[in-house]
Amino acid sequence: QVQLVQSGAEVKKPGSSVKVSCKASGGTFSSYTFTWVRQAPGQGLEWVGGIIPIFGTTSYAQRFQGRVTITADESTSTAYLELSSLRSDDTAVYYCARSYQLLFTRAWFDPWGQGTLVTVSS
Amino acid sequence: DIQMTQSPSSLSASVGDRVTITCRASQSISNYLNWYQQKPGKAPKLLIYAASNLQGGVPSRFSGSGSGTDFTLTISSLQPEDFATYYCQQSHSTPLTFGQGTKVEIK
Repeated sequence: QVQLVQSGAEVKKPGSSVKVSCKASGGTFSSYTFTWVRQAPGQGLEWVGGIIPIFGTTSYAQRFQGRVTITADESTSTAYLELSSLRSDDTAVYYCARSYQLLFTRAWFDPWGQGTLVTVSS
Repeated sequence: DIQMTQSPSSLSASVGDRVTITCRASQSISNYLNWYQQKPGKAPKLLIYAASNLQGGVPSRFSGSGSGTDFTLTISSLQPEDFATYYCQQSHSTPLTFGQGTKVEIK
């Protein structure tokens, strides 16, 4: 059974960058698409972007373009989310999730990682 | 971007009640609609995919229906463990978008 284990909580200064990891265990890493979703405190879910490791393709939400980079390391079965130029409104729990479909669309997410709280504060 | 609107935003119900949550898309999304359950402090959990398909391990009291722009999640007999927030999510096109959530509370 596939499990996604994310890195621990981070506290960052405004203007800095953060890199969150998501390690997959079980299954064949390159057979899946990995997606990142965030949730600000008390708010709903927001798609950040995703990666299809076998194709090396990425897709990002327009509002994060230029600030976000999603990568994957097949040798360690780990996906990464890097967000730069952090602002206070980037404070959120960031989740990774997996889908079977080798597409960003027509897909559903299961399982999810446990989430990583990123706090941006001066 | 496709906007997803859920109703109601919250509801109070009793154990054993039948609960219905609706989700409307701002344009047709065929059946590319998923439902998730989220409990406080936990990651979302997939309940229903492609509008009406029950994810493995999810109790059969959960069901989904709809296509095009209007979708429904039904809990046939609410159980204590079902008190949570429910989100719909469209996967028709990027950016993938979620509804604002429906919080199901104990009456």
